[in-house]
Amino acid sequence: SSELTQDPALSVALGQTVRITCQGDSLRRYYASWYQQKPGQAPILVIYNKNNRPSGIPDRFSGSNSGNTASLTITGAQAEDEADYYCNCRDTGSANRWIFGGGTKLTVL
Amino acid sequence: QAHLVQSGAELKTPGASVKISCKASGFSFSSHYMHWVRQAPGQGLEWMGVINPVGNSRYYEQKFQGRVTMTRDTSTSTLYMELSSLRFEDTAVYYCARDVSSRDLAWWFDPWGQGTLVTVSS
Repeated sequence: SSELTQDPALSVALGQTVRITCQGDSLRRYYASWYQQKPGQAPILVIYNKNNRPSGIPDRFSGSNSGNTASLTITGAQAEDEADYYCNCRDTGSANRWIFGGGTKLTVL
Repeated sequence: QAHLVQSGAELKTPGASVKISCKASGFSFSSHYMHWVRQAPGQGLEWMGVINPVGNSRYYEQKFQGRVTMTRDTSTSTLYMELSSLRFEDTAVYYCARDVSSRDLAWWFDPWGQGTLVTVSS
């Protein structure tokens, strides 16, 4: 089975750009999806199918993929973007299994 | 608009079982795989398993094999997850989520249920 690795914590100054990365062998084959979770709330989808945003997600959120790394970029971070972010991908190492990264806690300064 | 509403919080003793429900609305329930994900206090998201649209195939994370059963009732658009032989470490918020996919290259979970807190305590 495979794993997805994320930095545990990142910080960004208000209005600046931050990139949250996710690494794993499965990302060489499948696109990651990204989820935002605020305290006490269920996760919500922010990026899917490489670089698509669900309706209601601001266009400051974008996604990209390169090799074994997927990235979520927030361009012009806002205070309300402070949250935990998780990547997710289907596992190429085990059929019919999905994996989450450990999550990145983003602080907006 | 797709929506998932889960059953309420549960308090269980070690060794007991818990069955959580997840009622779907706003989409064709019988057309989608459905996942269960859990989150222990202060921890990350953990995938538990998935059930196919008609409910006759299930794939579970290895650590839950033998203790978890996922079922669905298409007549009521309701998904169920039963976890048996509960342990203290099963204390977590359990989420259901709809699977959406594209061209066998991308899968994503949307929407998610609001979560069900299961507390295992003696």
